[in-house]
Amino acid sequence: GAGVSQSPSNKVTEKGKDVELRCDPISGHTALYWYRQSLGQGLEFLIYFQGNSAPDKSGLPSDRFSAERTGGSVSTLTIQRTQQEDSAVYLCASSLSAIAGGNEQFFGPGTRLTVL
Amino acid sequence: TQLLEQSPQFLSIQEGENLTVYCNSSSVFSSLQWYRQEPGEGPVLLVTVVTGGEVKKLKRLTFQFGDARKDSSLHITAAQPGDTGLYLCAVRPGNTPLVFGKGTRLSVIA
Repeated sequence: GAGVSQSPSNKVTEKGKDVELRCDPISGHTALYWYRQSLGQGLEFLIYFQGNSAPDKSGLPSDRFSAERTGGSVSTLTIQRTQQEDSAVYLCASSLSAIAGGNEQFFGPGTRLTVL
Repeated sequence: TQLLEQSPQFLSIQEGENLTVYCNSSSVFSSLQWYRQEPGEGPVLLVTVVTGGEVKKLKRLTFQFGDARKDSSLHITAAQPGDTGLYLCAVRPGNTPLVFGKGTRLSVIA
């Protein structure tokens, strides 16, 4: 596809369940980013990948959050034992490189997660 | 403490009016980006400003980077309902991923 795609677009889950969110970046983009956007808030940085490695995991809110990227392409963000405060829109973005400054980040439409 | 402070937080105006929104910081940046996010979509890059005092125009949108490269403004002339959305500024402190402000939510009423 031409843009960043994310799935599912919406996810409703019960407190305590695990969820997996998927991001398919633009072909050829080596950098991939995950953000969280809560109602009325800006974008909160979670983690980014340069290739398959994640140099900066400092934004992950807790050890219930993890992410992986294999083959330098698709990434999954996993939230274990979900809590109600995890409810948010999870946005993924990709760019040509995370190293070169000023590179435009292209965002997907997001996954809206609701934890009941 | 937020690295970027955006104001106002919310703005509701009539079609045809002019408006200005602001992005301020106490830090100096080599560049600053503005994004617009429409409901149900991810943010889309509008412009990158890199030089202190720089002014860039995108149709009815005028972006200015402060002389000291600490702040920026976005001015919209004759706003249209299609301008409705969340306007976010973002910077890259050092060699790190983008940091976003909380945004200005604009609603243009026909």
